[in-house]
Amino acid sequence: DIQMTQSPASLSASPEEIVTITCQASQDIGNWLAWYQQKPGKSPQLLIYSATSLADGIPSRFSGSRSGTQYSLKISRLQVEDTGIYYCLQRYSNPWTFGGGTKLELK
Amino acid sequence: EVQLVESGGGLVQPGRSLKLSCAASGFTFSNYYMAWVRQAPKKGLEWVATISTSGSRTYYPDSVKGRFTISRDNAKSSLYLQMNSLKSEDTATYYCARHSWVDYWGQGVMVTVSS
Repeated sequence: DIQMTQSPASLSASPEEIVTITCQASQDIGNWLAWYQQKPGKSPQLLIYSATSLADGIPSRFSGSRSGTQYSLKISRLQVEDTGIYYCLQRYSNPWTFGGGTKLELK
Repeated sequence: EVQLVESGGGLVQPGRSLKLSCAASGFTFSNYYMAWVRQAPKKGLEWVATISTSGSRTYYPDSVKGRFTISRDNAKSSLYLQMNSLKSEDTATYYCARHSWVDYWGQGVMVTVSS
């Protein structure tokens, strides 16, 4: 199975800061990676797909990048509504695997 | 508007069975692979099952293989998850999702396995 190692597990940042979350894949997954945001008591929401493509309706302050088998989600100009838990997902091969999650809080 | 509405959750004893349903609307259901994803309380996300557009192909992780069965009825735009031999570790919120890039999720349904 492909392992997705996500870091950090949690972070706290101030509004307007830039935040970066990473996922390291245990093997090559190409661009078969997505990022999700989950708010308390809600279903996850797709933010980024194909590693770098912004999902419909998602603000442009969210962006995704790839360097080899390391994938990053960057949030520019952090807003209060960006609090929540962020997950990466690899859908390169079965079983699909999620990263462990990053809990983002605002100071 | 795409909508996915799960039902059928509840409290069930270990070793028993439960069947979840998901009613889809707002898109051509038969054109999409569909999936179930679960989330144990205060834990992360785990993919549970995927089914092809016709239902002829299904995929499961080892944790549920042989116990869970995903199926669909394209005429009713409905997805199902038959869960047998349930264990306490199956306790979770189960989400129905449009497979693609998992771009749409239902609101989730809680399954509690406990005696």
